[in-house]
Amino acid sequence: EPEVTQTPSHQVTQMGQEVILRCVPISNHLYFYWYRQILGQKVEFLVSFYNNEISEKSEIFDDQFSVERPDGSNFTLKIRSTKLEDSAMYFCASSVNTPWDEQFFGPGTRLTVL
Amino acid sequence: AQTVTQSQPEMSVQEAETVTLSCTYDTSESDYYLFWYKQPPSRQMILVIRQEAYKQQNATENRFSVNFQKAAKSFSLKISDSQLGDAAMYFCAYKDYGGSQGNLIFGKGTKLSVKP
Repeated sequence: EPEVTQTPSHQVTQMGQEVILRCVPISNHLYFYWYRQILGQKVEFLVSFYNNEISEKSEIFDDQFSVERPDGSNFTLKIRSTKLEDSAMYFCASSVNTPWDEQFFGPGTRLTVL
Repeated sequence: AQTVTQSQPEMSVQEAETVTLSCTYDTSESDYYLFWYKQPPSRQMILVIRQEAYKQQNATENRFSVNFQKAAKSFSLKISDSQLGDAAMYFCAYKDYGGSQGNLIFGKGTKLSVKP
């Protein structure tokens, strides 16, 4: 069964460094999402992406964040200058055709900022 | 703004027994979706069950069923005949039906343990 995959599973970085989290959505899906979960807190929406542009973003998704679909399979989240408070689990998700379809989640990338 | 609250951080159930996980939400919308997602340890979240707010009938998927009380804004998940594989984090989530809002709003989750 097709799955959303994410790499790496765990990323450790120094404060101020740039990180890129990678996701491969399910191949026929058209909508892509990033969520994050700070330890002990709720899963929070960051951004949705459709037709090579941001469809919607939350207030968390500030200028330090960017998303890109560099090729036909990958979907990336870049954090330009990481802060300690960016430490979290980052989940990628995709849905088939509309935002109302079921979202399929990846296993997550645990980002630790030191 | 919409919010989702799961008041039970942890729950435990004996194998083969029934357990109910609670979820309440707040919204001013009349059309929306509600979901329960399951996240096994070190695995991705998978959809367990969904409910459209306009449907009065409670959704059922095999051993999983919901009790949707729209007026009370309550959406609980019942797991019957619990199995060891049901042990996981369970997240309740909300999604607006209209407009461009596609993002899910999650509760904090309930960790379910299943005792053999």
